[in-house]
Amino acid sequence: QVQLQESGPGLVKPSQTLSLICTVSGGSISSGGYYWSWIRQHPGKGLEWIGYIYYSGSTYYNPSLKSRVTISADTSKNQFSLKLSSVTAADTAVYYCAAAGYCSSTSCPGIDYWGQGTLVTVSS
Amino acid sequence: EIVLTQSPGTLSLSPGERATLSCRASQSVSSGYLAWYQQKPGQAPRLLIYGASSRATGIPDRFSGSGSGTGFTLTISRLEPEDFAVYYCQHYGSLTWTFGQGTKVEIK
Repeated sequence: QVQLQESGPGLVKPSQTLSLICTVSGGSISSGGYYWSWIRQHPGKGLEWIGYIYYSGSTYYNPSLKSRVTISADTSKNQFSLKLSSVTAADTAVYYCAAAGYCSSTSCPGIDYWGQGTLVTVSS
Repeated sequence: EIVLTQSPGTLSLSPGERATLSCRASQSVSSGYLAWYQQKPGQAPRLLIYGASSRATGIPDRFSGSGSGTGFTLTISRLEPEDFAVYYCQHYGSLTWTFGQGTKVEIK
């Protein structure tokens, strides 16, 4: 069973870069089968997909965030990370890392595994 | 970009009643790329349904999904106390993944 755990600062100043790490256990990020993803949830609001990295190193980002987002992986530590630059108060949210099953040409098996989430507040 | 609109925003029902939640897409989508999640306060979402109608591992059979094209439905046949939560639909697009805004199922 794959388990994920987010870590990183809970408070980031405006204009700085938000950096989070997701540590994966029970599965290897360097093998196929999952899109290693970041998803956020603004307080009291719905879910917003940020992007993912695949084992090949390919990345896909939400077009609305693409200019500020970088997702990378450290296979030696079985971790993947999120960097979001030039943050504002609008980036205050709970950030989840998650593992989404690999999609075939006809279907996707869903986002199977989620971290517990970590609240990041952007404030001076 | 495909927009998913869920209705109603809030559903007030009693335990034992049937819940019917709707998810409408702004354009036709493949049912294979439509999923449903349940989220309880303070918890991460949990996958319920994928491919519009396939239950995820361990999900009780009182949860069922249906639909195609632009209209999808999540049905909970008989609400149990633990089913009161917020439900989200999600679409896997070729360029972006999108979520609906959620339907809250609350105790009447």
